[in-house]
Amino acid sequence: GDSVTQMEGPVTLSEEAFLTINCTYTATGYPSLFWYVQYPGEGLQLLLKATKADDKGSNKGFEATYRKETTSFHLEKGSVQVSDSAVYFCALTMDSNYQLIWGAGTKLIIKP
Amino acid sequence: EPEVTQTPSHQVTQMGQEVILRCVPISNHLYFYWYRQILGQKVEFLVSFYNNEISEKSEIFDDQFSVERPDGSNFTLKIRSTKLEDSAMYFCASRATGANEAFFGQGTRLTVV
Repeated sequence: GDSVTQMEGPVTLSEEAFLTINCTYTATGYPSLFWYVQYPGEGLQLLLKATKADDKGSNKGFEATYRKETTSFHLEKGSVQVSDSAVYFCALTMDSNYQLIWGAGTKLIIKP
Repeated sequence: EPEVTQTPSHQVTQMGQEVILRCVPISNHLYFYWYRQILGQKVEFLVSFYNNEISEKSEIFDDQFSVERPDGSNFTLKIRSTKLEDSAMYFCASRATGANEAFFGQGTRLTVV
């Protein structure tokens, strides 16, 4: 079945470092792809999305490009801040009913 | 900014008891969802709801689970007879017609003892 695989965490970086969190997917068709973020004590917030191949989603300095050839949707940020510390989830949906299939989540820790 | 709200934030219940988790979706949204996340595991889809009926449900959503929209604002998840393995964070989400993004609540942490 369809699935999402994320790199295991925690990922620990210093402030202003470059961030990459890998996400790859398996799907029978052409899914829409999402990154959600969960800050400590809060719910799941949509960070960015891409709905077709080569689309780039971006928000708050984060970017991810929908790569059909490598079935990937890696999350990147050029310079992370302590406030970016959170758990990041990659997810996909295949159907119009918007049933999301989730990766395991990657905990990001940014040290000052 | 409109948001999805869930109550309670934490619920502790004894095994075999019934629990009702409550959600208030964003007011003009018509599609509603429940997901859960067992500690240390992936977020899992439970059920989707539209036009006062279930549109899709997962294998997890067995006869012990039910959903209801009792009035114009609330969307509830009921677990009839809780089991230890129902302990998880339960997330409610809602989506507007034509949109391809859902908005999630902060979750209810259910602990079955």
